[in-house]
Amino acid sequence: DAGVIQSPRHEVTEMGQEVTLRCKPISGHNSLFWYRQTMMRGLELLIYFNNNVPIDDSGMPEDRFSAKMPNASFSTLKIQPSEPRDSAVYFCATTLRTGPLRWGYTFGSGTRLTVV
Amino acid sequence: GESVGLHLPTLSVQEGDNSIINCAYSNSASDYFIWYKQESGKGPQFIIDIRSNMDKRQGQRVTVLLNKTVKHLSLQIAATQPGDSAVYFCAELGGIDYKLSFGAGTTVTVRA
Repeated sequence: DAGVIQSPRHEVTEMGQEVTLRCKPISGHNSLFWYRQTMMRGLELLIYFNNNVPIDDSGMPEDRFSAKMPNASFSTLKIQPSEPRDSAVYFCATTLRTGPLRWGYTFGSGTRLTVV
Repeated sequence: GESVGLHLPTLSVQEGDNSIINCAYSNSASDYFIWYKQESGKGPQFIIDIRSNMDKRQGQRVTVLLNKTVKHLSLQIAATQPGDSAVYFCAELGGIDYKLSFGAGTTVTVRA
């Protein structure tokens, strides 16, 4: 199993540009989460999906952030327009929800975003 | 505010010694508590979890203790090795949607 695959690994962009982060979950996992990690705020949950449906996006900081999951194999997190304060490492994590839930999630290697 | 947090931001330990990483939580309704290890440039990796109705759980070289009376969680690593150097996060899993909430993290450095 290749695990949770995120791309790109690193992204440097100019302020105002659109940024799209991508995630391919582990096959069979039906829940997907987007986290953001910064030194100041640690790991923050942005949004999560169950069976491709967005369940809770209360962690999305602003309307500039949007996420989609068009199918069970792919999700995107988009920032438009990007700002320097969006600089962070963005993680995608997935898990399988069946009945009583246990286990933590499996995380991807993250995308390090730098907005200059 | 955060419902899960760590007592110490850093821990330096001699190779071969045992490590103890502590965590305090405030949400008594959480069903599971989980420890993650994050190495530089990587995502958090599951180490061990404990259900809220348990006090202790052991894995390979790791033991998690849960004290619900004082809302305290700890991770013990036996015979710490250089490969154990990482940031360790405690996290709680619970609520209707079973969201995973993380504490601030403790950086463990193993001295040779």
